[in-house]
Amino acid sequence: QQPVQSPQAVILREGEDAVINCSSSKALYSVHWYRQKHGEAPVFLMILLKGGEQKGHDKISASFNEKKQQSSLYLTASQLSYSGTYFCGTERTTDSWGKLQFGAGTQVVVTP
Amino acid sequence: NAGVTQTPKFQVLKTGQSMTLQCAQDMNHEYMSWYRQDPGMGLRLIHYSVGAGITDQGEVPNGYNVSRSTTEDFPLRLLSAAPSQTSVYFCASSYSWQGGETQYFGPGTRLLVL
Repeated sequence: QQPVQSPQAVILREGEDAVINCSSSKALYSVHWYRQKHGEAPVFLMILLKGGEQKGHDKISASFNEKKQQSSLYLTASQLSYSGTYFCGTERTTDSWGKLQFGAGTQVVVTP
Repeated sequence: NAGVTQTPKFQVLKTGQSMTLQCAQDMNHEYMSWYRQDPGMGLRLIHYSVGAGITDQGEVPNGYNVSRSTTEDFPLRLLSAAPSQTSVYFCASSYSWQGGETQYFGPGTRLLVL
């Protein structure tokens, strides 16, 4: 089942902060975050693994609440380059490793 | 390294025609996959492969075939194109099929079926 992302869209001024959430009704092994600019391929940002390990971008922060099966991506002191659509992808248990299920995306617009 | 490459970038087909979308990676990645992206629906997994000779179905496999004869290549075949297959198709690869691996996406193929 597809994870649910919120909000669907957010408009920020440069320097403002935002939080994007990704929730699943199933137990997760990992949550992956990608950013996609219009007409381009998704670009990897971060992976959060069950147990607390994180891999990825050192200027992006995120959290994974294993009890709630929810991940949050924090856009801090936003820059114009942060504009794009953010997707979370989830991996469930070991029988679905590699088979990411993606949320519908959160569109982020950062204005000057 | 070129990373993940896809051809063609754009294709128009008539209903009933068949075609193959090409995907190649030069990173010696074990795992490769195909996704389709439709407006408002994010990315959905079509087929995936955990190594040469091994493929399996994803979430939306109907109307598509895959094979993987080499580590580098993972073509996606549309057997008889339908307007519902109008979409953007992305190929992705990762070092292994084991959990928590970064997936690298190709630039995509935009397909229009008339």
